[in-house]
Amino acid sequence: ETGVTQSPTHLIKTRGQQVTLRCSSQSGHNTVSWYQQALGQGPQFIFQYYREEENGRGNFPPRFSGLQFPNYSSELNVNALELDDSALYLCASSLVGRDTEAFFGQGTRLTVV
Amino acid sequence: QKEVEQNSGPLSVPEGAIASLNCTYSDRVSQSFFWYRQYSGKSPELIMSIYSNGDKEDGRFTAQLNKASQYVSLLIRDSQPSDSATYLCAEDPPFSGGYNKLIFGAGTRLAVHP
Repeated sequence: ETGVTQSPTHLIKTRGQQVTLRCSSQSGHNTVSWYQQALGQGPQFIFQYYREEENGRGNFPPRFSGLQFPNYSSELNVNALELDDSALYLCASSLVGRDTEAFFGQGTRLTVV
Repeated sequence: QKEVEQNSGPLSVPEGAIASLNCTYSDRVSQSFFWYRQYSGKSPELIMSIYSNGDKEDGRFTAQLNKASQYVSLLIRDSQPSDSATYLCAEDPPFSGGYNKLIFGAGTRLAVHP
């Protein structure tokens, strides 16, 4: 167990809807990163939150947004869901600094129909 | 576009053999590399991190980093059927500045048969 928890574990949404995924980081970690993993692919970096602000974004449109709270937990919001948004969404927490490691939560499987 | 490349496999090895998994990266100044294991339907689990040239051993696992040739490898000794999984290679690229904004390869599927 990594101490990183995500909710919910599974979710089915309709195209055009909005979804919010949640993540609690490992105790002592101060960054939360979100990844999208399509079937058969490696995780793709969506964005990272540090000190409650977005700290870098991958190649994802603005309808992917997020928040980080003072207790370092985080939310990922996706608006106007598309079928291609169906994927495993992963949250990883880490401590800022050289030679540190990132640990993943169990993921949220999102299916858009 | 900086990339991490892995052979998708499957790599099939008999139980008890050494499994060798390889990964190449394109950014010459990258410093930090990781191997994650991912069972089907589960999330990635960190196995090894490596930051310096050479070998790093942890139990049955050895990670190797060769910065001159820009490759990272993972050796699994005495492979067990429970090692059957997808192995993801990842780098923390220089632009990340130690924030672990990881770039992953597509993963290599390992199958260990009895």
